Amino acid sequence: GNSVTQMEGPVTLSEEAFLTINCTYTATGYPSLFWYVQYPGEGLQLLLKATKADDKGSNKGFEATYRKETTSFHLEKGSVQVSDSAVYFCALSERNTGNQFYFGTGTSLTVIP
Amino acid sequence: ETGVTQTPRHLVMGMTNKKSLKCEQHLGHNAMYWYKQSAKKPLELMFVYNFKEQTENNSVPSRFSPECPNSSHLFLHLHTLQPEDSALYLCASSQFVVQETQYFGPGTRLLVL
Repeated sequence: GNSVTQMEGPVTLSEEAFLTINCTYTATGYPSLFWYVQYPGEGLQLLLKATKADDKGSNKGFEATYRKETTSFHLEKGSVQVSDSAVYFCALSERNTGNQFYFGTGTSLTVIP
Repeated sequence: ETGVTQTPRHLVMGMTNKKSLKCEQHLGHNAMYWYKQSAKKPLELMFVYNFKEQTENNSVPSRFSPECPNSSHLFLHLHTLQPEDSALYLCASSQFVVQETQYFGPGTRLLVL
């Protein structure tokens, strides 16, 4: 079946540090992959996505590359800011399962000045 | 500004109460979803509506009753809930069901006493 595994949090970084949040997936077909972000008190917002192998999604300085060979979609940012403090969710959706989204458990990031 | 609104934002109810959650999307989408977000658990898909027709019910207890009168509105009617139903309930929408990006509302924080 389909599933998403992402690194446990919480993650605490100093401002301007490098961020990596690991995400690996299991899928029966050819999924699309997503990163969503949830700021305190808000719903999920799409951060970036990739729809096929080797695609790189990017937004607001965040990047993730769809790696089919390692079934991974790790989220990276070169220099985090305090405003990046949020919970990050990796997710996949696949046509074979009627676009049901499979989310990871979320990784909480706190950036301190 | 996600284009998906939810009301109320917070709700406290007793186990014998009946209440309803409302979701409205202003994006012209055809598919709408209810998710349950509990602490330390992945998002749980509850219901999917595609062109006002329910296409998915992930073994949700009957004390949760969805209603989709048109493509822009989605309700979740609640009755005789249990304390373990306390969670953040998120509504989402997408243009179509298959492999489409989902856009989330801010959620309704529900507490069942």
